[in-house]
This record gives sequence, structure tokens and C-alpha cells, in this order.
Amino acid sequence: DAKTTQPPSMDCAEGRAANLPCNHSTISGNEYVYWYRQIHSQGPQYIIHGLKNNETNEMASLIITEDRKSSTLILPHATLRDTAVYYCIVRVALTGNQFYFGTGTSLTVIP
Amino acid sequence: NAGVTQTPKFRVLKTGQSMTLLCAQDMNHEYMYWYRQDPGMGLRLIHYSVGEGTTAKGEVPDGYNVSRLKKQNFLLGLESAAPSQTSVYFCASSSRGSGANVLTFGAGSRLTVL
Repeated sequence: DAKTTQPPSMDCAEGRAANLPCNHSTISGNEYVYWYRQIHSQGPQYIIHGLKNNETNEMASLIITEDRKSSTLILPHATLRDTAVYYCIVRVALTGNQFYFGTGTSLTVIP
Repeated sequence: NAGVTQTPKFRVLKTGQSMTLLCAQDMNHEYMYWYRQDPGMGLRLIHYSVGEGTTAKGEVPDGYNVSRLKKQNFLLGLESAAPSQTSVYFCASSSRGSGANVLTFGAGSRLTVL
């Protein structure tokens, strides 16, 4: 699986959009970008994933650059409950074997 | 719908004692995983299973054993606990196919080894 690079920490004002970057310059054509988050000491929660096109769901939007070497997770209106560690993971779809989490980005939403 | 349930939620062991963590999922998922998370660190994969009766090693398998005798259950065993195994343990499951990388996690089991 391709390696990802994320900033260790970020701050965002409550109500503003939170833009979390992820670099994955060695991504292969059949690898998807997945985002998870972990709030405090709970189990990680799936947010969104995508291959080439931008994706949006009720939680967030995922913007993938045309060359697919980087992506951005967007939380459109950050709330205090969005304070969490966010993990960007690149994986081939349809596989159920080893799934690695890095250290992610610790997002703090500031009142 | 309970999702992924882990028992126990908390446990304190003495060095050398043994114990088993139980993970149960009611989503008919094929794949199951055990992770550990140490303070300030990301999750590290201990063992995983791609189906009933099968298990495989992850990044940090030493000191742990697992079994998947039933599709819905994935057991993590510590035969002789060590202080280095003090951690929070998370179980996860996922379906086959396009959902294979959408993991559903349990709430975690906090283990302290004295």
C-alpha cells in the first residue's frame, strides 16, 4: 500500500471549514483513498473514501487532485465534536487483509 | 443492531497471567481484526482473519494468539501477560468486496498489566 503523509496537528475555528491534507505521491491506479477519524479514545470511525472523483457524503467531502498524488478531507462547518485524530489511508479496494493506520492529524476545533 | 462488541471493557492483570479478549459482530462480516493502541500512537495491527477458521499475523503479533472458530467471533489471547502489553485493544470487522476497507470498530478494551 502506498505511504501517506499528514501534518501532525491542525486547528480550526468552530463553524469554519476544516481542510485536512494528505500526500500520497506513490499511489497506484487501483488504490483508493480512505479517511477515518478517532474521537478521544473511541474506536476509529469511517468517514469517506474515493478513487479519482471528488466524493461527498453527510459527514465530509473528499477532494482528490487530478494526478491523485494528494487529497483533502473537508469538514464544511466544523463543530467542537469534530475534534479528533484523522487518518488518511491508501488501499486497494476489495482486500480484507492488513489495514494500517499511521499517526494521523490531530484536529482541534476552537470555540 | 449492536455492531462490534468487545468484552471485557477493562481488565487488570498481573505479569504472567493469561486472559482472552472476546470480539463479537452481528453484521455477518467476513473479515475481523485486532489492533492495539498505545498512548499518543496510532493503531497497530496484531492479527486478522479473512474468514471462519483462518487467521494471519499483522504488524505486532508476538505475545498474542487468536482464534476464529465462529464467523461472528474473534478471540485474542494473551498466554503470559507482560507490562509491555498494557494498551487499549480494538476489534474491527468489515465485509467482503467493495466494503472490505470500511471497518466497523468496537469501543475498545483497556488492559493494564502490572
